[in-house]
Amino acid sequence: AQTVTQSQPEMSVQEAETVTLSCTYDTSESDYYLFWYKQPPSRQMILVIRQEAYKQQNATENRFSVNFQKAAKSFSLKISDSQLGDAAMYFCAYRSALGYGNKLVFGAGTILRVKS
Amino acid sequence: DGGITQSPKYLFRKEGQNVTLSCEQNLNHDAMYWYRQDPGQGLRLIYYSQIVNDFQKGDIAEGYSVSREKKESFPLTVTSAQKNPTAFYLCASSIGSARQETQYFGPGTRLLVL
Repeated sequence: AQTVTQSQPEMSVQEAETVTLSCTYDTSESDYYLFWYKQPPSRQMILVIRQEAYKQQNATENRFSVNFQKAAKSFSLKISDSQLGDAAMYFCAYRSALGYGNKLVFGAGTILRVKS
Repeated sequence: DGGITQSPKYLFRKEGQNVTLSCEQNLNHDAMYWYRQDPGQGLRLIYYSQIVNDFQKGDIAEGYSVSREKKESFPLTVTSAQKNPTAFYLCASSIGSARQETQYFGPGTRLLVL
């Protein structure tokens, strides 16, 4: 079974600075997807970024980028120019690319606090 | 507007009572999912459905039941057999094609036991 580990229960960053959230995962599969979701205080889960394992290029979405290291099974999220609205719980998630309707496997989450 | 709606936002259950959480989507997505979120933990899959009139158990299906009579709707019933139902419940949906299957979430329902 696949597992996802987020080793940082909580992180803090100064507004306008850069922060990196860590995620490692365990799988024997070679084809899969990785995601970062953001859950603000409203508790709505919002997709931040997605990475296909077969793509070597790291995904980017505006101020959000990932460092995907397939051999190390590492998938970190970098937030540049942090804003107060970035404060939230961030979840790393894994999904197998095999089959159809596969579940997302989530890490326990990292609380990100942004200081003004 | 296209999206996923969940109701109610808060739900209270008495001991021995069954309660049903609603999830509706107008995104024309084939697949729908129910997750449970407990404090300090990530989401765990309860049930999922890939197509109308079909659904599969997830990791923590005991004490829950679902139906999928319409493409747009995937209600979750928390039965009296679920001994610790207090949690935040999230519904999600996806287009259905494995290669493009990003899941999008509703706003959630908080279930509390009286």
